[in-house]
Amino acid sequence: IQLTQSPSSLSASVGDRVTITCRASQGISSYLAWYQQKPGKAPKLLIYAASTLQSEVPSRFSGSGSGTAFTLTISSLQPEDFATYYCQHLYSYPHTFGQGTKLEIK
Amino acid sequence: EVQLVQSGAEVKKPGESLKISCKGSGYSFTSYWIGWVRQMPGKGLEWMGIINPGDSDTRYSPSFQGQVTMSADKTISTAYLQWSSLKASDTAMYYCARHCGRGISCYDYWGQGTLVTVSS
Repeated sequence: IQLTQSPSSLSASVGDRVTITCRASQGISSYLAWYQQKPGKAPKLLIYAASTLQSEVPSRFSGSGSGTAFTLTISSLQPEDFATYYCQHLYSYPHTFGQGTKLEIK
Repeated sequence: EVQLVQSGAEVKKPGESLKISCKGSGYSFTSYWIGWVRQMPGKGLEWMGIINPGDSDTRYSPSFQGQVTMSADKTISTAYLQWSSLKASDTAMYYCARHCGRGISCYDYWGQGTLVTVSS
């Protein structure tokens, strides 16, 4: 199963609403997670089961979708949100990641 | 507090062997599978495989099958990733991560990463 994220990079401003898309090459139900990675740091789990917010993750992050199309939305960008975001499916082995979306400050 | 603590950075020559570790604490180590993820310099995340520390059942990504070996010692709550003959292309950061388990599909806790540099 391949995951394709779009866009690969994105420039936005503090306060903007941004959406990142992840498409699976075949149906994966809701077996999708989203991670945030900052430079030099390990990835951090944001959302699992496509739409469930991980504990202590700010509510400005949300996820939706099922089957083959998924989105991660940040409702109002904060300075600390500029990072790279990855989707990952856990429907079957291997648990492939998308190629990543780098979110940069405009 | 759940923690995964990985071994330190390594510098090796091509052809050498290497074993890096990931020690879990703050939870029942045998109750959660441990995955390994590679990140080559400036690149994205690649899922390598996963091991059940309870019985050492292992699933590898086809991309890494035969290239690495995953193991675990449940008596010391430690998972391992090893190479028998390193290549320059193995240069990367390697992360271990705990699978969420309990019917939830994700990786919730991550180690700090081990940087492996392979150079002659």
